[in-house]
This record gives sequence, structure tokens and C-alpha cells, in this order.
Amino acid sequence: GESVGLHLPTLSVQEGDNSIINCAYSNSASDYFIWYKQESGKGPQFIIDIRSNMDKRQGQRVTVLLNKTVKHLSLQIAATQPGDSAVYFCAENRGRTGNQFYFGTGTSLTVIP
Amino acid sequence: GAGVSQSPSNKVTEKGKDVELRCDPISGHTALYWYRQSLGQGLEFLIYFQGNSAPDKSGLPSDRFSAERTGGSVSTLTIQRTQQEDSAVYLCASSSRQFNTEAFFGQGTRLTVV
Repeated sequence: GESVGLHLPTLSVQEGDNSIINCAYSNSASDYFIWYKQESGKGPQFIIDIRSNMDKRQGQRVTVLLNKTVKHLSLQIAATQPGDSAVYFCAENRGRTGNQFYFGTGTSLTVIP
Repeated sequence: GAGVSQSPSNKVTEKGKDVELRCDPISGHTALYWYRQSLGQGLEFLIYFQGNSAPDKSGLPSDRFSAERTGGSVSTLTIQRTQQEDSAVYLCASSSRQFNTEAFFGQGTRLTVV
């Protein structure tokens, strides 16, 4: 079946190191992807998005890479800070009539001071 | 308002009762979504409203679940005859365009069925 999934359910990094969170998707027709960050007790917060006509997009301390050949997304966080500790979700837009996002289980990132 | 607002923030209900969850989207946003998040899980798509178009109800898990959006703004998600497996956080989101744009989420309603 089709799914959005994550390779690693948990990730621990030292403060100041770079973090890489991976995501696999299986719907080759998906044309838009978003990374969300969710802190405990809060709703998901947008981090960065990428369209399928792009391979890479950079934001502030974050970079998203899209490999359509193997249907893989990654989120890179530079100089990880304690405030980056959260659950990270990738979401793909499978909508035929609009934005219908499908989310993976998420990766829990813990930053060790 | 400044963001998506959901109420109540917490709801405890007895098995078999009906519940209504409310979502106030960001003003001017034409698209509205409901998701469900079980403990330690990802977000499960439930239903999507876009303008005056017929909603996409393909994610609703059973006919006990329904949602409406009045006047293109406020939405209510109704769960009839609640079951314990309905316990989850129900998240609402809205977006400004129909395609390929971020959805802004509310804080969610934590529903506990006892």
C-alpha cells in the first residue's frame, strides 16, 4: 500500500551537531511536501516545504532534500539547538482536488545539551 | 484571529455519548482540514473542505463521524456514540489556497472517552 514513513523513530544528537531526519514516500504522483515540527501539547508547526520540481530548498538552519528517483525526503538541521527537540513529520500532498496531506508517524528528535 | 482556534482544548466524555469539536480557521482561509492523532502516532487525515466545493470525506473512519463548515468559516466535527478507540487529539488546520500551500494547525482538542 501507499504510505508516508520515516526510517528512524528516534534520534538523539549533541547540541551544535547537525541533524538529518529521513522520510520515505511511495506515491510518485505526490507533488508537494512539507516538514512539520510538533512540540509536546502543540499542533504541528510548518518548517519548510518543497515542490516536486525542486531537489533542494534551504531555510534558516534547515535544508530539505528531495530525491524523486527513490522517493525520499530528508530534513537537515544545522547546529542543532535544545529548542529543536520535538517530533518531526514529513507530509506529502496526495490531493487530486486540493491540499490533502498524508503524514508519517514522525521522528522524535532529542538534543543533548 | 491570529491563528487557528479549537475548542474545547480537552474533552472527557462517556462511551456512547455524542461530542462536538469546534474549529475557527484563520480569517480568509478557504481550505479547512480535520486530522486525528492517536498517542505517539502520526496525523490521520479525516476530512477536507475547500470553498463551496463538496468536502472530501474519504478519511472519515466510520459513519459516526461527520463534519460541517458553516458560511465557509467555522467547522464542527461531530462524533456520535463515542467509543474508546475514538480517544485521540483532533487537529484542525486551514490554508489560504487550494493547492500546494502550507496548512496552519490549531492546538487540537484532546478527546478522552471513558
